[in-house]
Amino acid sequence: KQEVTQIPAALSVPEGENLVLNCSFTDSAIYNLQWFRQDPGKGLTSLLLIQSSQREQTSGRLNASLDKSSGRSTLYIAASQPGDSATYLCAVRNTPLVFGKGTRLSVIA
Amino acid sequence: DVKVTQSSRYLVKRTGEKVFLECVQDMDHENMFWYRQDPGLGLRLIYFSYDVKMKEKGDIPEGYSVSREKKERFSLILESASTNQTSMYLCASSAGNGGTYEQYFGPGTRLTVT
Repeated sequence: KQEVTQIPAALSVPEGENLVLNCSFTDSAIYNLQWFRQDPGKGLTSLLLIQSSQREQTSGRLNASLDKSSGRSTLYIAASQPGDSATYLCAVRNTPLVFGKGTRLSVIA
Repeated sequence: DVKVTQSSRYLVKRTGEKVFLECVQDMDHENMFWYRQDPGLGLRLIYFSYDVKMKEKGDIPEGYSVSREKKERFSLILESASTNQTSMYLCASSAGNGGTYEQYFGPGTRLTVT
């Protein structure tokens, strides 16, 4: 059964730092991997989707990479801002999506 | 822009009541999903549907049922609400075959059962 792990569970950084969030999964036979952002008490907002044939995707200050063979993905956030404070979840699609428990990020001004 | 809406942001119900949570998407997506989210447990899939009138059990279907009579609408039903069903409920949709399967979520319904 697919398991998705996100480390660390929580992270606090000063504004302006570049940071990396990690996601690992146990079964490499995935169709795609999706990164989400969740603000407290709200739904999930899709940030990036990487298909299994792709190595990375970029959107603004965000860059997500995928290494299927090692079962890893990273979300890189450049020049972090207080508005980036949220919980970030990754999810892999076998069928259907399997979610990690998220990394709670705090960016301190 | 994909839009997934849920009928209520907050709901308070009594134990034993029948509860309906409604979800509507406006992008003609084939796939629709219901999750619940609890602290420390993450998102868990309750039910999903790949087509009208079709449903599949997820990881925690006990105590729940679903209905999909129209493509755009997916309803979650708690037949007899219990306090352990107090949770955040999230609906999602995605395109099916030929699409990217990127999932889009609604704003969530915070259900409290007293």
